[in-house]
Amino acid sequence: GAVVSQHPSWVICKSGTSVKIECRSLDFQATTMFWYRQFPKQSLMLMATSNEGSKATYEQGVEKDKFLINHASLTLSTLTVTSAHPEDSSFYICSARGERGSLHEQYFGPGTRLTVT
Amino acid sequence: KQEVTQIPAALSVPEGENLVLNCSFTDSAIYNLQWFRQDPGKGLTSLLLIQSSQREQTSGRLNASLDKSSGRSTLYIAASQPGDSATYLCAVNTGTASKLTFGTGTRLQVTL
Repeated sequence: GAVVSQHPSWVICKSGTSVKIECRSLDFQATTMFWYRQFPKQSLMLMATSNEGSKATYEQGVEKDKFLINHASLTLSTLTVTSAHPEDSSFYICSARGERGSLHEQYFGPGTRLTVT
Repeated sequence: KQEVTQIPAALSVPEGENLVLNCSFTDSAIYNLQWFRQDPGKGLTSLLLIQSSQREQTSGRLNASLDKSSGRSTLYIAASQPGDSATYLCAVNTGTASKLTFGTGTRLQVTL
């Protein structure tokens, strides 16, 4: 139980284009989803927190107009990287929190590797 | 602001050894602490979660302890195997919107 999926698992795009990454909770309803970014050989950094039906809360230094987050349903959140540049190349991981497990337990997706050429 | 540090940053041990990974955090007001494993290029695998009221958790060859007052946790791996080679991350949940703050990670290599 408590499975979180991400799609795509990897994507290559050209500089200036936009890329959408999906995060789905497959067997539970996720009231809150989190988006993280991980650069090579570094740890995970929280980008934003999204609650179903409301605007995302972004961490300091994360451009909300560049990283658009939508959490339209209790099982789906999307992260759109707009006008992507090579420096946006990274590993993006989502997590979900909801009715499964303890109130403060997050379940992680497998990640999406984005490469911007 | 919560800061999480892991020591050592990298560790290489021969197969069969017992080892300890350390995690320290600056703000002791946490809900829980979690240990993860991450293989190269992959996502996170949750290993153990310790609630703030608990002192330790065990799963197979893994044992995690938590000393909240001193801001420390350890992950003990018994009888290490080559398959244990991975990066180990600890993360603390400080309760502010259930945000997780991750440590810097320990890259473990278990050699034959």
